[in-house]
Amino acid sequence: DAKTTQPPSMDCAEGRAANLPCNHSTISGNEYVYWYRQIHSQGPQYIIHGLKNNETNEMASLIITEDRKSSTLILPHATLRDTAVYYCIVRMGGNQFYFGTGTSLTVIP
Amino acid sequence: EAGVAQSPRYKIIEKRQSVAFWCNPISGHATLYWYQQILGQGPKLLIQFQNNGVVDDSQLPKDRFSAERLKGVDSTLKIQPAKLEDSAVYLCASSLAPGGYGYTFGSGTRLTVV
Repeated sequence: DAKTTQPPSMDCAEGRAANLPCNHSTISGNEYVYWYRQIHSQGPQYIIHGLKNNETNEMASLIITEDRKSSTLILPHATLRDTAVYYCIVRMGGNQFYFGTGTSLTVIP
Repeated sequence: EAGVAQSPRYKIIEKRQSVAFWCNPISGHATLYWYQQILGQGPKLLIQFQNNGVVDDSQLPKDRFSAERLKGVDSTLKIQPAKLEDSAVYLCASSLAPGGYGYTFGSGTRLTVV
């Protein structure tokens, strides 16, 4: 079962930062936080993952709170192509991914 | 690098008919997964292969679903007979090792059972 809670939907203005929250209050010490997104009619696409420290790559930044009970995915300058469903997943290495229902992000022109 | 290939892209069948989906993983990826995604829900794992052996099929409805991965490369997922509730997108994913790096999804096959 998914161990995360996400808002069902969010809007963001094009060019602004999109901040997607995720609660994972029961996360254990060796579980990572992963973010995937799914654009309409495509398979899920990996965005970023982290354990304790904040992470940044060319797509996004991941901010994990010190107690690791929540995290935020930041898309620094949202574009229309970022409209998608975003999944936050907690997972131990080697185990399967449990997807919840995610957050449907709509970027508005 | 070529991605995970799936076919067909769309399929419409009548209930009680049979259907098969095909997946070709990324070259060199030993682990292959089949997921079912019902409209409005996240993907749910059906079966996981490591090379040509089954690692986890606990969520596969074995009375009607079957999957194989002969020679540890391509895989097929079959439904026989199909039910209305099987309407979903069937996603294939692959990775270098179980749950490891390079975990990549295909675009899926959208099945409609009427």
